Amino acid sequence: GDQVEQSPSALSLHEGTGSALRCNFTTTMRAVQWFRKNSRGSLINLFYLASGTKENGRLKSAFDSKERYSTLHIRDAQLEDSGTYFCAAFDTNAYKVIFGKGTHLHVLP
Amino acid sequence: EAAVTQSPRSKVAVTGGKVTLSCHQTNNHDYMYWYRQDTGHGLRLIHYSYVADSTEKGDIPDGYKASRPSQENFSLILELASLSQTAVYFCASSRRDRGPEVFFGKGTRLTVV
Repeated sequence: GDQVEQSPSALSLHEGTGSALRCNFTTTMRAVQWFRKNSRGSLINLFYLASGTKENGRLKSAFDSKERYSTLHIRDAQLEDSGTYFCAAFDTNAYKVIFGKGTHLHVLP
Repeated sequence: EAAVTQSPRSKVAVTGGKVTLSCHQTNNHDYMYWYRQDTGHGLRLIHYSYVADSTEKGDIPDGYKASRPSQENFSLILELASLSQTAVYFCASSRRDRGPEVFFGKGTRLTVV
């Protein structure tokens, strides 16, 4: 099975509301990174975490290696937040990045 | 900010033709990666390299070759392009340290017709 399970696969939010994306891992990961792929196809780094939480503006991410999950919270969603969000986990034993399948976020006016 | 540059940004190739995608990084990173992205599959690793003149197979290497002639450059080669290789390809780089951040290029949209 997939080592990284990302949910939900798709999400629609009205402007000004918020929600959370989640990645569950089947094994212990050493770190996680969150990206957003915008409408032009570019991948934008959002957060990199080896533990704990980080916050940047309306985004906040948490990573718990022991409990094997990471979350990305979006608050006060704006139209420009629309895009596909990926989590990527760093395996402890192999030098490989394992990606979730992405969450397609659509922010509605 | 670390920089990873891919070229071309988009390409249309003919089935059976040879395609070379290029990637250049100015980050002084040891590791470089090639991923492809297909709807419903997220990003999948094709090849990666941790040192110049050496490449390793990723999760889906069939139909692809890679070349790392220098620390800065990493190419992905499709010797005989096929329709199934239509996708967006991302190059990335990272440091040698445990748990590094990965820096991505902007992607190359390849359409095989």
